[in-house]
Amino acid sequence: GNSVTQMEGPVTLSEEAFLTINCTYTATGYPSLFWYVQYPGEGLQLLLKATKADDKGSNKGFEATYRKETTSFHLEKGSVQVSDSAVYFCALSEWGYKLSFGAGTTVTVRA
Amino acid sequence: EAQVTQNPRYLITVTGKKLTVTCSQNMNHEYMSWYRQDPGLGLRQIYYSMNVEVTDKGDVPEGYKVSRKEKRNFPLILESPSPNQTSLYFCASTREGGTEAFFGQGTRLTVV
Repeated sequence: GNSVTQMEGPVTLSEEAFLTINCTYTATGYPSLFWYVQYPGEGLQLLLKATKADDKGSNKGFEATYRKETTSFHLEKGSVQVSDSAVYFCALSEWGYKLSFGAGTTVTVRA
Repeated sequence: EAQVTQNPRYLITVTGKKLTVTCSQNMNHEYMSWYRQDPGLGLRQIYYSMNVEVTDKGDVPEGYKVSRKEKRNFPLILESPSPNQTSLYFCASTREGGTEAFFGQGTRLTVV
């Protein structure tokens, strides 16, 4: 079956530091890949997505590239802000009615 | 505004007392799902529906029921809640042929 493994947290960074969260996946077909973000006390928001190999998703300074050869979709941001403090989830979907999620990574950015 | 609306946002109940969490979407999406979020486990799918009157089990369906009588609504029913169902629940919808899911704000359920 499909599964997602992402870097365990928590991760604590200083403002303007570089952030990377590793995500690898297992899938039987050709999934779409996603990063969702959950800010404190809120629901899930789509941060970025990629639908095929070598696609790069980007949003709000975050980037992730769909790497089929390494089955990875690592999330990166060059300079984090306090407002980036959140829980980040890597997820995949082969069929629109089901998402498979990683365990989530809690990121705290300190001023 | 396109949205998925869940109610209630917070609920504390006692073991065995039936409850329903409502979910409604205004995007005319065919697919709807329920997930539960637990620390260290991410989100796991409870049930999903591909259209009206079409529902199926997800990864963790035990202790839950759903119904899809109308396209916009997908309530989650706990007939006899137990403490191990204390969790954060999310409803989501997706258009047919798409993969991007839109999530509700979540319902934090505590069963004592």
